[in-house]
Amino acid sequence: QQQVRQSPQSLTVWEGETTILNCSYEDSTFDYFPWYRQFPGKSPALLIAISLVSNKKEDGRFTIFFNKREKKLSLHITDSQPGDSATYFCAASERYAQGLTFGLGTRVSVFP
Amino acid sequence: GALVYQYPRRTICKSGTSMRMECQAVGFQATSVAWYRQSPQKTFELIALSTVNSAIKYEQNFTQEKFPISHPNLSFSSMTVLNAYLEDRGLYLCGARGGGAEQFFGPGTRLTVL
Repeated sequence: QQQVRQSPQSLTVWEGETTILNCSYEDSTFDYFPWYRQFPGKSPALLIAISLVSNKKEDGRFTIFFNKREKKLSLHITDSQPGDSATYFCAASERYAQGLTFGLGTRVSVFP
Repeated sequence: GALVYQYPRRTICKSGTSMRMECQAVGFQATSVAWYRQSPQKTFELIALSTVNSAIKYEQNFTQEKFPISHPNLSFSSMTVLNAYLEDRGLYLCGARGGGAEQFFGPGTRLTVL
């Protein structure tokens, strides 16, 4: 059973639009949720992360919204650019103790 | 700054042979090191986790017999893929944590099995 689920599997948006990526999780012990971006042929890079103490985390064009009760998160990318085209992974862990559990990823394509 | 190096970046081995990959954390004191595998068209699977003063913990579907890990200290870790077969191909990532939550990833070792 996939502990971290992502949707949609792939997404296409036009330049300037807001991209919305969804993530949900099962394990109640998870309390740290990073999002990683991976370009083809490269390793994943941390984009933005949130913990249980916050409902929202913003960094430039990237914002995480967190609904703890429903165990759901979403990543919003405003003013999407063609350079944002990549695969985005939602991950979760117990903050300091465990390795990361990754979702299957969402492939984003931004067209000019 | 905090950096994680991995070596080699790419490697090719014949089916049934073994290959060793290395990971080094630079610029911070790693408190845990985790190894992951991304198989083609798949997500990242946690292979094993090493933490300070604890034994290495392997995840389901991964064993010490297949993926032995050595770490003289947490800033340096090596993992061997024994008797590699086609299903072992993929990108192997090393992730290291300092005192905080963020896990710093290396560039990965891409394994091709012929």
